[in-house]
Amino acid sequence: NAGVTQTPKFRILKIGQSMTLQCTQDMNHNYMYWYRQDPGMGLKLIYYSVGAGITDKGEVPNGYNVSRSTTEDFPLRLELAAPSQTSVYFCASTLRGRDEQFFGPGTRLTVL
Amino acid sequence: AQSVTQLGSHVSVSEGALVLLRCNYSSSVPPYLFWYVQYPNQGLQLLLKYTSAATLVKGINGFEAEFKKSETSFHLTKPSAHMSDAAEYFCAVSESTNAGKSTFGDGTTLTVKP
Repeated sequence: NAGVTQTPKFRILKIGQSMTLQCTQDMNHNYMYWYRQDPGMGLKLIYYSVGAGITDKGEVPNGYNVSRSTTEDFPLRLELAAPSQTSVYFCASTLRGRDEQFFGPGTRLTVL
Repeated sequence: AQSVTQLGSHVSVSEGALVLLRCNYSSSVPPYLFWYVQYPNQGLQLLLKYTSAATLVKGINGFEAEFKKSETSFHLTKPSAHMSDAAEYFCAVSESTNAGKSTFGDGTTLTVKP
């Protein structure tokens, strides 16, 4: 099993550009999550999904969108990139919401 | 509602010394508790977890944690620090009856001095 994979590893965007961060898991997990981690800070939940077709906002959803058309994939969309979205983004998954989460390696995004 | 407080954003110990990282939680139902470790430029990895079985939980790399309900604590310890333990550590809580999500603490950076 590859676990949780994220692409790209690094990206530099200009203000106002858009992009999609990809996340795929091969563990047949129902729950998937997107977090951002700013330097020296903890994790902030952006969006999460409890199954295909179901998504919900976390604590910092503004400026982001998600979709969950399959169990495996949970892409995160940035429509109009802003410098405040410079961060490291982690995708995670778990079989049941109360269980431990499995994290991807992260995407380091810089918006200039 | 659930929450986690990690006391001390930075902890520094000498190699060979005891490691103690503190975590207090709040949960309205019996909790599941986790410690994760994050090495530089990597994602989080599970160190250990408590899911209502034994209150003393052993994890990887010689770490252990004790669930104390009366103190609402789940502190992480290791008897003897190694240079390779230098990393950021996150405590997290989820509600055993909740099909939603975990709440993470703000993290504690562990520095190990030679």
